[in-house]
Amino acid sequence: EAGVAQSPRYKIIEKRQSVAFWCNPISGHATLYWYQQILGQGPKLLIQFQNNGVVDDSQLPKDRFSAERLKGVDSTLKIQPAKLEDSAVYLCASSFVPGLRDDEQFFGPGTRLTVL
Amino acid sequence: GNSVTQMEGPVTLSEEAFLTINCTYTATGYPSLFWYVQYPGEGLQLLLKATKADDKGSNKGFEATYRKETTSFHLEKGSVQVSDSAVYFCALRLGGYNKLIFGAGTRLAVHP
Repeated sequence: EAGVAQSPRYKIIEKRQSVAFWCNPISGHATLYWYQQILGQGPKLLIQFQNNGVVDDSQLPKDRFSAERLKGVDSTLKIQPAKLEDSAVYLCASSFVPGLRDDEQFFGPGTRLTVL
Repeated sequence: GNSVTQMEGPVTLSEEAFLTINCTYTATGYPSLFWYVQYPGEGLQLLLKATKADDKGSNKGFEATYRKETTSFHLEKGSVQVSDSAVYFCALRLGGYNKLIFGAGTRLAVHP
């Protein structure tokens, strides 16, 4: 079974530029998550989709971050404009059915963003 | 609020030493508890989990027991190997939409 795919793996941009990340979840997984992992910290949930709909975006900085999940499969996360503090690893994860106590999240390898 | 606190790293051990990584949590309600591992250059992987008090999760020689009275979920392994070198994250999940809350991670380095 193929895992969660993310691209690019690395990205370097200057502040105020825009950047987009792509995620392809495991086939058949209804729920998709984007996490931000700042160096030295644990991952923090930015947004969670169930199929096409957003179920939690309480920690997404909506003035600069946006995300979409078209057709309930792939997802893109965009930052516009980027700030220095956005430097982090952006992790995508997926799970089959939320709400089940045994529902495991599977993580992709992440995209490392450096903002100069 | 809900949070997870882990012991700071790095933890440096010799091969075959005993490992303990402490994890405590604060949560409203009754969370499920997890340990994730991140090997160099790889994504997060679920190591083990426990869904209710007194449950013991185990995998690959690692164990952790869900202690409600001390709000803890310490990770242990009796004999570590060089291949266990990684960053370990403790996390909790409350019901509803499956949101994970992670600790800051503990880096483990095992030397031959």
